Amino acid sequence: GENVEQHPSTLSVQEGDSAVIKCTYSDSASNYFPWYKQELGKRPQLIIDIRSNVGEKKDQRIAVTLNKTAKHFSLHITETQPEDSAVYFCADPTGTASKLTFGTGTRLQVTL
Amino acid sequence: DVKVTQSSRYLVKRTGEKVFLECVQDMDHENMFWYRQDPGLGLRLIYFSYDVKMKEKGDIPEGYSVSREKKERFSLILESASTNQTSMYLCASSLDTSGNTIYFGEGSWLTVV
Repeated sequence: GENVEQHPSTLSVQEGDSAVIKCTYSDSASNYFPWYKQELGKRPQLIIDIRSNVGEKKDQRIAVTLNKTAKHFSLHITETQPEDSAVYFCADPTGTASKLTFGTGTRLQVTL
Repeated sequence: DVKVTQSSRYLVKRTGEKVFLECVQDMDHENMFWYRQDPGLGLRLIYFSYDVKMKEKGDIPEGYSVSREKKERFSLILESASTNQTSMYLCASSLDTSGNTIYFGEGSWLTVV
């Protein structure tokens, strides 16, 4: 599948600070960019996604931005809270059947 | 709510054993997937299926096979388990068209000793 590079692999922030996770993709035809959150011991779940016809999408404290020219998209979490602590995965669709290639994940730790 | 159910949460198998991991979804989704999750490597696709009896290799199919005899059920088979297949296995499903949410099962922790 196509490569999706995700950075950083770990991120520690203090409660109330912002967190940013970035993913870079290689297929210029990609048009759908989701972010999944996986809490400890639980399944990954979609938290936000963006399509290529918009540059930014917000949902309360989380937002995703897309830069198609540079082929990267980022997850922004503002006013972080302890419950934001989790592993976050970006994904990029490849090929048929909406097959997603996932990044390697970012472990976010929000400290008090 | 979409429900993706993996029948076994925790398994311990011996090297060389044949292992079946079963997955069932209840939302009439066309696509089903098997991912493997390992620390630092993210979610890697083993196999996926976009229709009954159809299957395609993912990024790491070696040592695995799959079966989809019914739309709602997708099975992952380890013909001869090896210790390097110790991992968390996640089943998932989605609607047919691109850009649809993938729904995951709770995962199956497999240890091969």
